[in-house]
Amino acid sequence: DAGVTQSPTHLIKTRGQQVTLRCSPKSGHDTVSWYQQALGQGPQFIFQYYEEEERQRGNFPDRFSGHQFPNYSSELNVNALLLGDSALYLCASRVQGFGNIQYFGAGTRLSVL
Amino acid sequence: EDQVTQSPEALRLQEGESSSLNCSYTVSGLRGLFWYRQDPGKGPEFLFTLYSAGEEKEKERLKATLTKKESFLHITAPKPEDSATYLCAVLHGSGNTGKLIFGQGTTLQVKP
Repeated sequence: DAGVTQSPTHLIKTRGQQVTLRCSPKSGHDTVSWYQQALGQGPQFIFQYYEEEERQRGNFPDRFSGHQFPNYSSELNVNALLLGDSALYLCASRVQGFGNIQYFGAGTRLSVL
Repeated sequence: EDQVTQSPEALRLQEGESSSLNCSYTVSGLRGLFWYRQDPGKGPEFLFTLYSAGEEKEKERLKATLTKKESFLHITAPKPEDSATYLCAVLHGSGNTGKLIFGQGTTLQVKP
């Protein structure tokens, strides 16, 4: 049973560019969340998708946007990249429902130069 | 505002030397507390979830406990393979929504 898969593994961009990160949830999961993890810090919640809609959002600017597809996979888009966007971006999936465990992918390491 | 604080930030133990990691939280109505393990360059790996004060969960050398203000992750006779960053998170949200609010983590190094 495949777990949460993310692509690409690593990405290097320059300031001002746009990036798209992809996530396939664990089999049977229908809810996807995205987190940003800076070096030496805990993950910070970006947003959550369920039934192809954004259901909850953290304190991130509108440059961060997302999408969920009918097969439950998801994309994270970041526009007008800043140096401070350099981080590990984590996708987590779960079955919709209170308190259900979120399982994480290995993440995409984004470096903005 | 919900907040999670972990201590210590880093911990170095000799193999076999038991210790505890602390996670203190302030949250308006605890809906769940989660412990994850994260190895360098990897995503967090789920360990335990606790829902009410007094609850305890065990897995191999790890035991998680929960009070109204904090949670402890006890590590008994650790081995070098237990070296990792341990993350604590509280579940924030209502109904079926839910985001995890993480602490900054405790990086554990176990020397042989």
